[in-house]
Amino acid sequence: EVQLVESGGGLIQPGGSLRLSCAASGFSLSNSYMNWVRQAPGKGLEWVSIIYNSGTASYADSVRGRFTISRDDSKNTLYLQMNSLRAEDTAVYYCASGFNWLDPWGQGTPVSVSS
Amino acid sequence: DIQLTQSPSSLSASVGDRVTITCRASQSMSNFLHWYQQKPGKAPNLLIYAASSLQSGVPSRFSGSTSGTDFSLTISSLQPEDFAVYYCQQSYNTPYTFGQGTKLEI
Repeated sequence: EVQLVESGGGLIQPGGSLRLSCAASGFSLSNSYMNWVRQAPGKGLEWVSIIYNSGTASYADSVRGRFTISRDDSKNTLYLQMNSLRAEDTAVYYCASGFNWLDPWGQGTPVSVSS
Repeated sequence: DIQLTQSPSSLSASVGDRVTITCRASQSMSNFLHWYQQKPGKAPNLLIYAASSLQSGVPSRFSGSTSGTDFSLTISSLQPEDFAVYYCQQSYNTPYTFGQGTKLEI
């Protein structure tokens, strides 16, 4: 069964850093395109980043220069390193597989940026 | 960036109704448009990919169509489990973008 499980979310002060993880099972991340998508409380979906099977990445303007997507093929795990966090980064963060359409998705991990 | 505008933002309907949700793109993007359903507290679930292809396991009452830069999601006969929020998403270029969502209510 293909499954994605996120972890690493929590409460962090503005300006702080956090690393999210997304453990994959049932398929290999090294052959896949993986995304991070977030959803602020009561709001819609916002695409954050993609890492291609080549290892190159693309980011939303709102996070470029602060967030870094990466993967560890030996652990079959995707990461999102989030630095210089702001209140507006507060959201549930989902990882999702796909180059065009996104499927499957993980269950999400909540991040709250507040003092 | 490609803007996606969904209409309506919310919709009241009844079991058995036929409903259509529209997603208008700010530029031409072929069929790089996909639809998701999200229920409260859950991750989005892919319904339709490439504008009109039904994802495996999704009931056949869901269908997608396109006319130029207008894309539509139709539910032919609403079931109780269909009351949720629906999003469109484009993958024509990055940044990928989503519509603002359509809340389907009883």
